[in-house]
Amino acid sequence: DADVTQTPRNRITKTGKRIMLECSQTKGHDRMYWYRQDPGLGLRLIYYSFDVKDINKGEISDGYSVSRQAQAKFSLSLESAIPNQTALYFCATGKTSGAHNEQFFGPGTRLTVL
Amino acid sequence: KQEVTQIPAALSVPEGENLVLNCSFTDSAIYNLQWFRQDPGKGLTSLLLIQSSQREQTSGRLNASLDKSSGRSTLYIAASQPGDSATYLCAVSAGGYNKLIFGAGTRLAVHP
Repeated sequence: DADVTQTPRNRITKTGKRIMLECSQTKGHDRMYWYRQDPGLGLRLIYYSFDVKDINKGEISDGYSVSRQAQAKFSLSLESAIPNQTALYFCATGKTSGAHNEQFFGPGTRLTVL
Repeated sequence: KQEVTQIPAALSVPEGENLVLNCSFTDSAIYNLQWFRQDPGKGLTSLLLIQSSQREQTSGRLNASLDKSSGRSTLYIAASQPGDSATYLCAVSAGGYNKLIFGAGTRLAVHP
């Protein structure tokens, strides 16, 4: 079974709809991240969390919110989706271990906003 | 602001060739550098992680080097195979929360 899972894998929605993307991990890691990837660009950080009570904005957090319901779960919400949020979304986990910040990624969710 | 650049953006080679993918970054104050492989529909797979105090890491046919002072890393793939076809991303870990900053990737195609 995959260590980091994301649901749904694909989603098509309309402008103005509220969307939630979910991420679960069985790696026992304390750190979790949400990234988005646009064609021809690298991944950019949306939000990250180091613990259940810890939420931090990344470089492109506008239009997004997150919830860390448990150590193993980290969900990303688009309150009112817009077409330029069409992208590939990745969840990642990492372990707090000094400077050794290796991250492990889920399979991604392809979101299309019409 | 840290920026990561990967050259070339795309590469097509015949099977069996040895090849080098390049990654450069603008700020040498990094904790580590990680190389990933991205396959369509399958997310990112971590290939190699080089700590800032290390010069290189090897895994099978892959060798990654790091020259922190010049802001460069290379990923060397020996005896390339069609199964190596994928997009290769490099990312540096930096900042107070060790966030990863990614390059745009190199899309590799190895043809028989």
